[in-house]
Amino acid sequence: KAGVTQTPRYLIKTRGQQVTLSCSPISGHRSVSWYQQTPGQGLQFLFEYFSETQRNKGNFPGRFSGRQFSNSRSEMNVSTLELGDSALYLCASSWPKEGPSADTQYFGPGTRLTVL
Amino acid sequence: GESVGLHLPTLSVQEGDNSIINCAYSNSASDYFIWYKQESGKGPQFIIDIRSNMDKRQGQRVTVLLNKTVKHLSLQIAATQPGDSAVYFCAEIPMDSSYKLIFGSGTRLLVRP
Repeated sequence: KAGVTQTPRYLIKTRGQQVTLSCSPISGHRSVSWYQQTPGQGLQFLFEYFSETQRNKGNFPGRFSGRQFSNSRSEMNVSTLELGDSALYLCASSWPKEGPSADTQYFGPGTRLTVL
Repeated sequence: GESVGLHLPTLSVQEGDNSIINCAYSNSASDYFIWYKQESGKGPQFIIDIRSNMDKRQGQRVTVLLNKTVKHLSLQIAATQPGDSAVYFCAEIPMDSSYKLIFGSGTRLLVRP
């Protein structure tokens, strides 16, 4: 079974631009989570989607948004990019039960975003 | 590959020795704990997990210990191999927010041949 895939793997943008990152979960997985990884802040939760609904959101400004499609694929968008948005953006998928659960999350390789 | 962290604590061990990686978690109400391994250029990879009603769980060459009294988690790797060199993260899932992982800062494990 193919793992979580993320596109693009590398991206360079300039301040003020916007960016869209894509994540395809493992086949059959319905939950997709996004994380930001930086050397200074480590791994931080952005948001989680299940059945096209955002169930939880981390402490990031409104410039960070996401969505999930009916096939469980997800995108995240960052508008008005700032230098501090340079990071590795990781997507994880899982196959959760209907309610809250601690199902194993499987991570993709990430998208390396550099903001100049 | 990507730099996971510039100031991570580093554990250096001789190949064949046992490794112990420690983690202090923050939320006494967390219900579930997980260890992840991240190699350069890759996303975190699940190693082993443990629920809060347990204090020990064993996998293949790995053991996780949970001490809820002092909010401490450890990962023991037996007979450490060069392929174990990576950054290791502990993560917790709070009871009141089961859809997200809260990660620790990570420890870099270097295995000397």
